[in-house]
Amino acid sequence: EVPVVESGGGLVQPGRSLRLSCTASGLVFSDHSVGWVRQAPGKGLEWVGFIRSRPYGGTTAYAASVKGRFTISRDDSKSFAHLQMNSLKTEDTGTYFCIIYDYGEDYFDSWGQGSLVAVSS
Amino acid sequence: QSALTQPRSVSGSPGQSVTISCTGSGSDVGAYNWVSWYQQHPGEAPKLLIYDVTKRPSGVPARFSASKSGNTASLTISGLQAEDEADYYCCSYADNYSWVFGGGTKVAVL
Repeated sequence: EVPVVESGGGLVQPGRSLRLSCTASGLVFSDHSVGWVRQAPGKGLEWVGFIRSRPYGGTTAYAASVKGRFTISRDDSKSFAHLQMNSLKTEDTGTYFCIIYDYGEDYFDSWGQGSLVAVSS
Repeated sequence: QSALTQPRSVSGSPGQSVTISCTGSGSDVGAYNWVSWYQQHPGEAPKLLIYDVTKRPSGVPARFSASKSGNTASLTISGLQAEDEADYYCCSYADNYSWVFGGGTKVAVL
């Protein structure tokens, strides 16, 4: 487990965009797939999407609920990953956790503290 | 991908054992040995408890154990302690590079 820090949350109107960022220390960032999990207020966890590590080709995959609206990217030179959220809806409101996968991509080894996104007019 | 099914709550007295079930399908829990469990205390980020169905990361007490049979995974807390009161989520790899969580189970220590 390593420290993971998210940034970029806030209040945004429906239909607008927001970008979250995530960085981790104490690991070779480029060797790990990185993803996002969200949690609506008072609700459970929902996997949002991930970007694979360089050894796995750096490809992305998304939950059906965000596909086409959200994009995950990474800058391994700076040890950052980003979640670009477009066409935001009120149901996207929640806490977004950045997650670091283990080498085998079978579980989420480290979690950030969460970044709050509120979509409201 | 539908969420995995967990009981909404379980409870037990200190020292007792409780078991949380996590039921999926042949496309997730039943198909892969990539089931993990996470513990979340109020206001905190989730924490990894179990991975690869049965394995405990270093630092996780041995009173946490897990198993899987068919499409159902289970987490058992033996010797329940006050600090175990939290929400617990199962998670499984599903088809096509996606992961699915259970709805979460609130464990109450009476």
